[in-house]
Amino acid sequence: EAQVTQNPRYLITVTGKKLTVTCSQNMNHEYMSWYRQDPGLGLRQIYYSMNVEVTDKGDVPEGYKVSRKEKRNFPLILESPSPNQTSLYFCASSFGSGGHEQYFGPGTRLTVT
Amino acid sequence: DQQVKQNSPSLSVQEGRISILNCDYTNSMFDYFLWYKKYPAEGPTFLISISSIKDKNEDGRFTVFLNKSAKHLSLHIVPSQPGDSAVYFCAASGYGGSQGNLIFGKGTKLSVKP
Repeated sequence: EAQVTQNPRYLITVTGKKLTVTCSQNMNHEYMSWYRQDPGLGLRQIYYSMNVEVTDKGDVPEGYKVSRKEKRNFPLILESPSPNQTSLYFCASSFGSGGHEQYFGPGTRLTVT
Repeated sequence: DQQVKQNSPSLSVQEGRISILNCDYTNSMFDYFLWYKKYPAEGPTFLISISSIKDKNEDGRFTVFLNKSAKHLSLHIVPSQPGDSAVYFCAASGYGGSQGNLIFGKGTKLSVKP
C-alpha cells in the first residue's frame, strides 16, 4: 500500500530535550516536505527536499533541522524544543513540486512542556 | 503578510446544492494552485489543482476556476454531499527556484447538511 508514515504519532516532551520525528514514504517520490498545523494559522511549510541531499527552507524553519540521506526518509529534528513548537506536524511526499499531488502522512501531535 | 487567503472560516450548505469555496492570493508569480481536503485526525488529501496558464479544471464533482486578473480562485462542488464536510485548504506553489515552496491558506470548514 502506497503511504507516508510518521513516528511517533503522539509525543509529549520537555523543553530542550532533542527529538526526532521520522517520516518515510514507499512511493519512490523525489519531493518531501514538512508542515505544521496550528489553530487559526492553517498549514505552514517548515522545510522541503527536492531530492536526496537537497533541502530548502519553507516559511517557518526556525528551530528545526532536516536531512535527506535516502530517498524514502526525511526526518524532522528539533535540537532544543520549546513550547511554541507544540503543534500538529505533517510530512508529505510527491513525484515533484509545483502542481504535483502531495501525499500526506497521518500527523504527529507534539506537546512541549 | 499572508500570500494566500481564505477569508471565510466556515461555510454551511444543504446537501445537493453547490458549495463554493474562495481563495485569494497576492503573488502573481505563483505557477500552480491546489486544493486539499482535511478530515479531523487525518492528513490532508489532494483534491484538484490548476496551472496558472489555465482558467478552469474539472474533476468529477469538483471544478476549480482561476481568475488571474483578480488573483482569485474558487472551488465548486456540485452536488454537495454530507461526506464533503471537512476543512478545505487552498495552496499555491512557488515559482522559479522556490517551486518546492507550498503556501497554504488558513482553511475553510465546509458543513454539508442532509
